[in-house]
Amino acid sequence: KNEVEQSPQNLTAQEGEFITINCSYSVGISALHWLQQHPGGGIVSLFMLSSGKKKHGRLIATINIQEKHSSLHITASHPRDSAVYICAVRGRGATNKLIFGTGTLLAVQP
Amino acid sequence: ETGVTQTPRHLVMGMTNKKSLKCEQHLGHNAMYWYKQSAKKPLELMFVYNFKEQTENNSVPSRFSPECPNSSHLFLHLHTLQPEDSALYLCASSQGDRNTEAFFGQGTRLTVV
Repeated sequence: KNEVEQSPQNLTAQEGEFITINCSYSVGISALHWLQQHPGGGIVSLFMLSSGKKKHGRLIATINIQEKHSSLHITASHPRDSAVYICAVRGRGATNKLIFGTGTLLAVQP
Repeated sequence: ETGVTQTPRHLVMGMTNKKSLKCEQHLGHNAMYWYKQSAKKPLELMFVYNFKEQTENNSVPSRFSPECPNSSHLFLHLHTLQPEDSALYLCASSQGDRNTEAFFGQGTRLTVV
């Protein structure tokens, strides 16, 4: 079992729908990252958060430290949001490295 | 454009070849990373460099040899690879290796034949 689990693994939505992607983790963390990976490979950092909620445009990320859970929401989804969304946590250990989930493949259809 | 550039974008090599992947960042970051992304698996950290010094080697086979000549450049030298080494290799950089955002390159899609 991975230390970082995402759900769903695959998600298909219609343009305009509200989308939620979930991330659960089993280790103590100092921060959680949401990343976006488009076809072709490049990864873009969307959010880094350690508590509460952050918003950027149509994207909202929340984290509940006690429940070890984070959600990424996309409002008014658009086909250009189609990508793999990856949750990663930074542990509290000495190396402080990122531990990644397997990603959620999102397809938004027009 | 994230400020981290990887070359080449695609590479096909035979098992007896020697090749190198290059990563360059001009963001002023002092930490650089190599990650491997295989199909259906989470990203795996391979190496971490801080101020040109290797601070982590995540049990990577010796057929992968990293080099960090300065804080802006990172190489991954490849020799006698196996077909199972075929993957997307991603470079990233950050300002320090603690609680800062990481900026990723576009990756090199490597195929070993």
